[in-house]
Amino acid sequence: QVQLVQSGAEVEKPGASVKVSCMASGYTFTSYNLHWVRQAPGQRLEWMAWINTGNGFTKYSQNFQGRVTITRDTSARAAYMELSSLTSEDTAVYYCARLYYDTSGYPLWGMDVWGQGTTVTVSS
Amino acid sequence: QSALTQPPSASGSPGQSVTISCTGTRSDVGGYNYVSWYQQHPGRAPKFMIYEVSKRPSGVPDRFSGSKSGNTASLTVSGLQAEDEATYYCSSYAGSNNLVFGGGTKLTVL
Repeated sequence: QVQLVQSGAEVEKPGASVKVSCMASGYTFTSYNLHWVRQAPGQRLEWMAWINTGNGFTKYSQNFQGRVTITRDTSARAAYMELSSLTSEDTAVYYCARLYYDTSGYPLWGMDVWGQGTTVTVSS
Repeated sequence: QSALTQPPSASGSPGQSVTISCTGTRSDVGGYNYVSWYQQHPGRAPKFMIYEVSKRPSGVPDRFSGSKSGNTASLTVSGLQAEDEATYYCSSYAGSNNLVFGGGTKLTVL
């Protein structure tokens, strides 16, 4: 079945970087853009970025510009989110999610399949 | 971008209807028909409930409906059931390939 499986929980020190992976199965990887969304404890969902898994084009939220890098490996059917210069405010669950399309392949800007989430804890 | 505005909480008794609002601007909710809604239970990933303002993905009960007027979108849950108790988030396309989420509304079934 269609699913996104993310890498396991991470604990990092302030100032470090973290890289989270998102592996896709059950569909054509390069046909669907992947988004990254995070959720701090008890807080709202926050959109971070997306990647065109076909051509590698990326778009980053202004809130994370310069600190986040999204990549993909088509042979591995995986996308990666790397966040640098971590602070305690980056402690959150990070999700990857697949963009939903209509039957003509036009993006509808909703996300129909979500990974299970990866908990990143930043602590000294 | 600023988050879309949702009421922090809403409630209703089983069988009743509840409507949750999501207010943005002309640059997001008011400018595009790409409003989505998600249901999130504690400790779980969000679930896709509504797209393009009012359309339901396969498998979502027709008790869930969406609408939009101006800069405000709404999610209505009819015939409330205990399992509807969750936090609901709206999102909207915000132009230039950006997306924005709302602050979330915790729905309590009394």
